[in-house]
Amino acid sequence: EADIYQTPRYLVIGTGKKITLECSQTMGHDKMYWYQQDPGMELHLIHYSYGVNSTEKGDLSSESTVSRIRTEHFPLTLESARPSHTSQYLCASSATEYRSPLHFGNGTRLTVT
Amino acid sequence: GNSVTQMEGPVTLSEEAFLTINCTYTATGYPSLFWYVQYPGEGLQLLLKATKADDKGSNKGFEATYRKETTSFHLEKGSVQVSDSAVYFCALSAGYSTLTFGKGTMLLVSP
Repeated sequence: EADIYQTPRYLVIGTGKKITLECSQTMGHDKMYWYQQDPGMELHLIHYSYGVNSTEKGDLSSESTVSRIRTEHFPLTLESARPSHTSQYLCASSATEYRSPLHFGNGTRLTVT
Repeated sequence: GNSVTQMEGPVTLSEEAFLTINCTYTATGYPSLFWYVQYPGEGLQLLLKATKADDKGSNKGFEATYRKETTSFHLEKGSVQVSDSAVYFCALSAGYSTLTFGKGTMLLVSP
């Protein structure tokens, strides 16, 4: 019953390629987030947005970039993929109301060879 | 700053055993507390939440009570099932900051 969609689910790509991970939500949420999940399961916030044309860097420094041109869409781009970017990427959204819970997509598992 | 500490896993139980996953937190002010669950191959789902001291969140047989005096929000279930095998994350929201997650605890339930 996911209302937040991530594509692709799995991506294997060579070093140096440019990639975009897609994230869309149909709930009208203003807030959206990107997390990187390492093999030990820990979550690291890498980007977030509180609305159209608003983007902020998260707690973990990342070479990726994001854009928020439409409320429902929050893509993440890597200009030049490296093996160190191999990870699971999770997108999430939440309503504007104070301390609303997060809704997560099913993730994109990226492997850079 | 805000932080969440939860017990390291994996926690390995037999079906119908009692489950406790410990979670303690440090936060300024009065945070809201959450438990999320991540099943294999999926994203996180909200399992339960509590917004003030002594609140008890519950869902699917899981419970957690917001204990301000011990700064804890331990997750419990009386009788686990194989289908409960997943990774469980404790999290807090304080002020207008982004959510702070614990490192996750893997639960493995065998038949």
